[in-house]
Amino acid sequence: DAGVIQSPRHEVTEMGQEVTLRCKPISGHNSLFWYRQTMMRGLELLIYFNNNVPIDDSGMPEDRFSAKMPNASFSTLKIQPSEPRDSAVYFCASEQGDGSNQPQHFGDGTRLSIL
Amino acid sequence: GENVEQHPSTLSVQEGDSAVIKCTYSDSASNYFPWYKQELGKGPQLIIDIRSNVGEKKDQRIAVTLNKTAKHFSLHITETQPEDSAVYFCAAINNDMRFGAGTRLTVKP
Repeated sequence: DAGVIQSPRHEVTEMGQEVTLRCKPISGHNSLFWYRQTMMRGLELLIYFNNNVPIDDSGMPEDRFSAKMPNASFSTLKIQPSEPRDSAVYFCASEQGDGSNQPQHFGDGTRLSIL
Repeated sequence: GENVEQHPSTLSVQEGDSAVIKCTYSDSASNYFPWYKQELGKGPQLIIDIRSNVGEKKDQRIAVTLNKTAKHFSLHITETQPEDSAVYFCAAINNDMRFGAGTRLTVKP
């Protein structure tokens, strides 16, 4: 079991640029979650998918953020245009089940810095 | 929605001592309570969990207790070691998962 795989591990880019974060969930898991972690706000859930369908995107901060899950083994989180306040560590997690009452397994995150 | 409070925010103990981290939750319908350990540069990793039909669960040096009436649950680490140093998060789940703000545990050798 390779675990949840995220790429890139680090991303530094200038404000205004498009940023794409990638996630490969654990095989067989049918729920996928995107989180943002900052010192000020802790871990925030941005969006989660069940069976590739977005279920709750109420945590997405604004229209500059979008997420897709074209198939069971891949998801992207895109920020366009990026702003310095988007700097954070972004985590992807996957879970076996319907999104409740099961442990989530986290990737090692993407550390994003917007200059 | 669920609100999870976690205390303390930082905890420093001597190697070999015990460490206790406490969390309270607001939604009485929450029925699953995982604990995560996050080391520097890594994602949170599940270390132990407890469901609402159980009052206590133990795994080697780690134990979790749950008081449903009072809506609080605690993580207990005994015989702490320097490698236990990390940030620990509690969470409560009822359809969606809410995390506590985290506790930075430092174990001094």
